[in-house]
Amino acid sequence: EPEVTQTPSHQVTQMGQEVILRCVPISNHLYFYWYRQILGQKVEFLVSFYNNEISEKSEIFDDQFSVERPDGSNFTLKIRSTKLEDSAMYFCASSEREGHNSPLHFGNGTRLTVT
Amino acid sequence: AQSVAQPEDQVNVAEGNPLTVKCTYSVSGNPYLFWYVQYPNRGLQFLLKYITGDNLVKGSYGFEAEFNKSQTSFHLKKPSALVSDSALYFCAVRGPNTGFQKLVFGTGTRLLVSP
Repeated sequence: EPEVTQTPSHQVTQMGQEVILRCVPISNHLYFYWYRQILGQKVEFLVSFYNNEISEKSEIFDDQFSVERPDGSNFTLKIRSTKLEDSAMYFCASSEREGHNSPLHFGNGTRLTVT
Repeated sequence: AQSVAQPEDQVNVAEGNPLTVKCTYSVSGNPYLFWYVQYPNRGLQFLLKYITGDNLVKGSYGFEAEFNKSQTSFHLKKPSALVSDSALYFCAVRGPNTGFQKLVFGTGTRLLVSP
């Protein structure tokens, strides 16, 4: 069964540095997302992306964050000038269609640790 | 605003016994409800969804959930628990006013099935 793949599985960075989290969504999916899960807390929506543009973003997704689909397969989340509170698991997801009838398929996540 | 409540942090059940993981929701209009499961160091895996129609929905691994509109609940159930069902379970809701694709997750319930 096709999977969403994320790299790296664990990223350690110093406060103030930039990080890029990478995702390869399922190949025939058209809608892409980033969620994050701070340790012990709920899974939070960050952003959704369709047709090469952001379709929705949460209040968490401020100017520090950006997303890009640089080619036909990758979907990246860039965090500029990381802060300690950015430490979390970041999950990429994709879905085949829009609307409510299309479940999200999640990757295994990237654990980001900001020191 | 849409929200989901999972009132139990942890549910303990013996193998072979039925299990229930509770979820209640708050959304304007008709809800679209989902259950996801998270195994250690893994992403979220889709279990089942309710969109419309029959209130009892069946999903992966023998799980089912019952939509109850009057009680605004969507409890996850399984007739006979397995040790391998031990994981973190998330209820999520997407409503007509939730936004393009945004899923709102509950805080999660840890299910522990003892041999």
